[in-house]
Amino acid sequence: NAGVTQTPKFRILKIGQSMTLQCTQDMNHNYMYWYRQDPGMGLKLIYYSVGAGITDKGEVPNGYNVSRSTTEDFPLRLELAAPSQTSVYFCASSYSGQRYGYTFGSGTRLTVV
Amino acid sequence: AQRVTQPEKLLSVFKGAPVELKCNYSYSGSPELFWYVQYSRQRLQLLLRHISRESIKGFTADLNKGETSFHLKKPFAQEEDSAMYYCALSPLLYGNNRLAFGKGNQVVVIP
Repeated sequence: NAGVTQTPKFRILKIGQSMTLQCTQDMNHNYMYWYRQDPGMGLKLIYYSVGAGITDKGEVPNGYNVSRSTTEDFPLRLELAAPSQTSVYFCASSYSGQRYGYTFGSGTRLTVV
Repeated sequence: AQRVTQPEKLLSVFKGAPVELKCNYSYSGSPELFWYVQYSRQRLQLLLRHISRESIKGFTADLNKGETSFHLKKPFAQEEDSAMYYCALSPLLYGNNRLAFGKGNQVVVIP
């Protein structure tokens, strides 16, 4: 039982490049989330999903896209990387939303130069 | 919309001293409150949730609806408590299960 797995752990992008941050969970959780963590700013919700085929925007969705074709996978896509997207990205999942808390991945540290 | 406030960014305490991390929230309904912890170079993990009324690693937190607070306390800090702590809130609404996080408290326990 690996929990929530994120890849890659680190990445440096040039402005305008694109990439996909991968997230997969093996706990059969319906709910999955993407957060970004900026120093002194806490965690901001980018996108979330309540099940396969269903996604919705969080607080800071601009510049990102997601898809949820399976229960296990919830990739986050950056189409045109910008310096403002330099951050640590966390994927999380939960069984029934809020009641039991979230299980987080180890994070992806992204730098856009 | 829900909001979580953690007023102190950095808290330094001596080993053996009490530690209290403040968390206030604004939400019109009845929320679920959580504390998450992130140790150095580790992933964010759930520390405790108010609904469980539990003590984890010596930490406790009481939900005070009158003061809209959920402060985290430990009577005797240990060096291994040095970490980043986040207070989080989730509204008890069907279909709305997104956690809102505070900005976090960096706790440094001085030996």
